[in-house]
Amino acid sequence: AQKVTQAQTEISVVEKEDVTLDCVYETRDTTYYLFWYKQPPSGELVFLIRRNSFDEQNEISGRYSWNFQKSTSSFNFTITASQVVDSAVYFCALSEGGRLNAGNNRKLIWGLGTSLAVNP
Amino acid sequence: ETGVTQTPRHLVMGMTNKKSLKCEQHLGHNAMYWYKQSAKKPLELMFVYSLEERVENNSVPSRFSPECPNSSHLFLHLHTLQPEDSALYLCASSQDSVGLGAFFGQGTRLTVV
Repeated sequence: AQKVTQAQTEISVVEKEDVTLDCVYETRDTTYYLFWYKQPPSGELVFLIRRNSFDEQNEISGRYSWNFQKSTSSFNFTITASQVVDSAVYFCALSEGGRLNAGNNRKLIWGLGTSLAVNP
Repeated sequence: ETGVTQTPRHLVMGMTNKKSLKCEQHLGHNAMYWYKQSAKKPLELMFVYSLEERVENNSVPSRFSPECPNSSHLFLHLHTLQPEDSALYLCASSQDSVGLGAFFGQGTRLTVV
């Protein structure tokens, strides 16, 4: 069964600290996609990154970086030099394979989220 | 601004009321979704529409009734709700293909009294 676990419920750091948010997933699919979303206090879920199961290359985008390791089924997210504006709930999600128009329902399996508070 | 707009942002309704949530996207996407977000629970997918046809209904109670008149608009009609239906309802849209991240609206915070 597919499952996403974000073991850290809440994290609190001081501005400029680096912080890593953990995500561990379970799936039997050989083709799958992993996502990270940010949910600021305003409510909308903001798409951050998508990674497919065949691409284990780590990715860096500004202060954000992602470490995908199939060997440990993990897709961790690191914020370098955190800022107060990074305070939000961060969700990791797993997408089952298949196309909507092929009769296979593509679902996102969500973790429970990690609430990050960055204090000045 | 993600390109997905939800109205209203907040809604308080009694258990005997009928109300509707609206979602609009002009991103050219042809799949739209309703999610329910409750405290301490994973996001729950409620409905999926692809090319204006409903392709999934995750055993949602009939007091929630979706409508997708065209690829840009999605409604969630509510009637005789229960207090446990109080939650954040999120609309999302995506291209009809694997792997693209969905774009979400800001949600409607629903309180049933």
